[in-house]
Amino acid sequence: EIVMTQSPATLSVSPGERATLSCRASQSVSSNLAWYQQKPGQAPRLLIYGASTRATGIPARFSGSGSGTEFTLTISSLQSEDFAVYYCQQYNNWPPSLTFGGGTKVEIK
Amino acid sequence: EVQLVESGGGLVKPGGSLRLSCAASGFTFSSYSMNWVRQAPGKGLEWVSSISSSSSYIYYADSVKGRFTISRDNAKNSLYLQMNSLRAEDTAVYYCARDPPGYKGFDYWGQGTLVTVSS
Repeated sequence: EIVMTQSPATLSVSPGERATLSCRASQSVSSNLAWYQQKPGQAPRLLIYGASTRATGIPARFSGSGSGTEFTLTISSLQSEDFAVYYCQQYNNWPPSLTFGGGTKVEIK
Repeated sequence: EVQLVESGGGLVKPGGSLRLSCAASGFTFSSYSMNWVRQAPGKGLEWVSSISSSSSYIYYADSVKGRFTISRDNAKNSLYLQMNSLRAEDTAVYYCARDPPGYKGFDYWGQGTLVTVSS
């Protein structure tokens, strides 16, 4: 099973600042990586797929990069609605398997 | 508007059974693979099971294989998860999620239904 490791576990950022979240795969997943945002009490929301393609309706301040084993989600200027938990997900062997990272919580500094 | 609405969660004793449902609307349900993803309280996301559009392909996470059964009824625009031999570690919010062709992430999710396994 491919293990996804996200860092840091918690990121404290001031509104308007840039946030950089990391996701590392235990083996190469090519560009088969997605990012999700989850707010308390809500379902996850797809942000990015294919490592760098924004999903429908996602603001341009969200960008994804990387390939192989190292990936980054960047939020260029944090808005109040961006404080949430972010998960990466690899789908290199999909189907039949895919795995999520443990999440990074972005909190207000 | 795409909508996915789960139901059927509740409190069940260890070893018991429960059947979850997911009612879909706003899209051609029969054209999409569907999934169940769960989230234990305060924890991360775990993919549980997937079913292709025509039910030809079905997959399970190792943690539920042999205990859970996914199914769908395209005439009723509904997805199901039959959960048997439930364990405490199955306690979680269960989400249904849509899987578009060509895999581009799970693009729509339901609001989730809570399953609690406890004596």
